[in-house]
Amino acid sequence: QVQLQESGPRLVEPSETLSLICSVSGGSITSYYWSWIRQSPGKGLEWIGYTNYLGSTNHNPSLKSRVTISVDTSKNQFSLKLSSVTAADTAVYYCARDRLSGWSTFDSWGQGTLVTVSS
Amino acid sequence: DVQMTQSPSTLSASVGDRVTITCRASQSIRTWLAWYQQKPGKAPKLLIYKASTLESGVPSTFSGSGSGTEFTLTISSLQPDDFATYYCHQYHVYPGTFGQGTKVEIK
Repeated sequence: QVQLQESGPRLVEPSETLSLICSVSGGSITSYYWSWIRQSPGKGLEWIGYTNYLGSTNHNPSLKSRVTISVDTSKNQFSLKLSSVTAADTAVYYCARDRLSGWSTFDSWGQGTLVTVSS
Repeated sequence: DVQMTQSPSTLSASVGDRVTITCRASQSIRTWLAWYQQKPGKAPKLLIYKASTLESGVPSTFSGSGSGTEFTLTISSLQPDDFATYYCHQYHVYPGTFGQGTKVEIK
């Protein structure tokens, strides 16, 4: 049973970069796609982007070029960086596994971490 | 983006009830639809994908149907563990979009 766990700062200042890591255990990151999804009261659930083990990535165009997703197969981890954050980026951030395309069928999720953007 | 509209937003029901939640897409998504269940403070859990395929380990009291623009999630006999919020998610048109959720609460 694969398990995912998000980690990173819970408080980020406006205009700074949000950084999170997802650690994968119980399975190899060299299969499937690995995604980030966020949930806020205002926007609901929103897919952010994905990576695979080769480092092929894609992200939601609504986030423009603020998103960077990378993978570290040696640590079985993948990460998210979201730059120039504002209060609108305050949300619970989840990492998840997608077995189909990276933006489709999320069959395993981390517990989520609330990130607040505030000074 | 494809808009996903769920109805109702909130549903009050009793244990043993048959419950139906509807999800409508603003354009055809064929059968590229998934349903998730979320409990307070927890991550969503995949219930159904490809509109009607039950995820492994999900009770058979859950079923999904539909194609094109209209979809339903049915719980044939509501159990205490089923009180939660349910979301549909289309993955036909990139980048995918979620519905706003339907909360199933105790009547």
